[in-house]
Amino acid sequence: AQSVTQLGSHVSVSEGALVLLRCNYSSSVPPYLFWYVQYPNQGLQLLLKYTSAATLVKGINGFEAEFKKSETSFHLTKPSAHMSDAAEYFCAVSDFRNTPLVFGKGTRLSVIA
Amino acid sequence: EAEVAQSPRYKITEKSQAVAFWCDPISGHATLYWYRQILGQGPELLVQFQDESVVDDSQLPKDRFSAERLKGVDSTLKIQPAELGDSAMYLCASRDPIGTSGSGELFFGEGSRLTVL
Repeated sequence: AQSVTQLGSHVSVSEGALVLLRCNYSSSVPPYLFWYVQYPNQGLQLLLKYTSAATLVKGINGFEAEFKKSETSFHLTKPSAHMSDAAEYFCAVSDFRNTPLVFGKGTRLSVIA
Repeated sequence: EAEVAQSPRYKITEKSQAVAFWCDPISGHATLYWYRQILGQGPELLVQFQDESVVDDSQLPKDRFSAERLKGVDSTLKIQPAELGDSAMYLCASRDPIGTSGSGELFFGEGSRLTVL
């Protein structure tokens, strides 16, 4: 069964600092991996996705993630945090054969001025 | 830009009452999901539809929850009777078709937040 583990339920960074949100996955087949962002009382918005093409994936709002098969990781990064990045971030995995996404528990990102 | 529509955005009800949530997916998306998201947690799948058929409802508490997608387009999720533990955000998502023309990603609605008193 597929699963994802997000390390750290809450991450706090200073404005302008590097953002690193960690995600490790478990899958019996080559996975498809996603990062979603959720602002308070809103639905989830796709940041980026890995679908077996390039291992370094660039997404919206300056975020990127690198798929590392040897580490079963798909960590999300952004070089310089902005106040508007404060939100909840979810990593998700699917085997893409029309199966549902399985989500991690989420990491809340706080950005300090 | 096409969106997944959900209503109501907010619902407050007393326990033992019935509640219903509606979802209209993006046109052309045959696959529709209902997820439940408890505060502070990630979304968890309740039910998956392919057109009008239920593909997976193994996590749906069938004694009180029901879901339908009669014409394979919009969908309704019902809870009867509601319990205190049902307080959560109910998210509907539709999936971009897999294949050369689609990315397979999920598009989410804004959600329906349920508070059971």
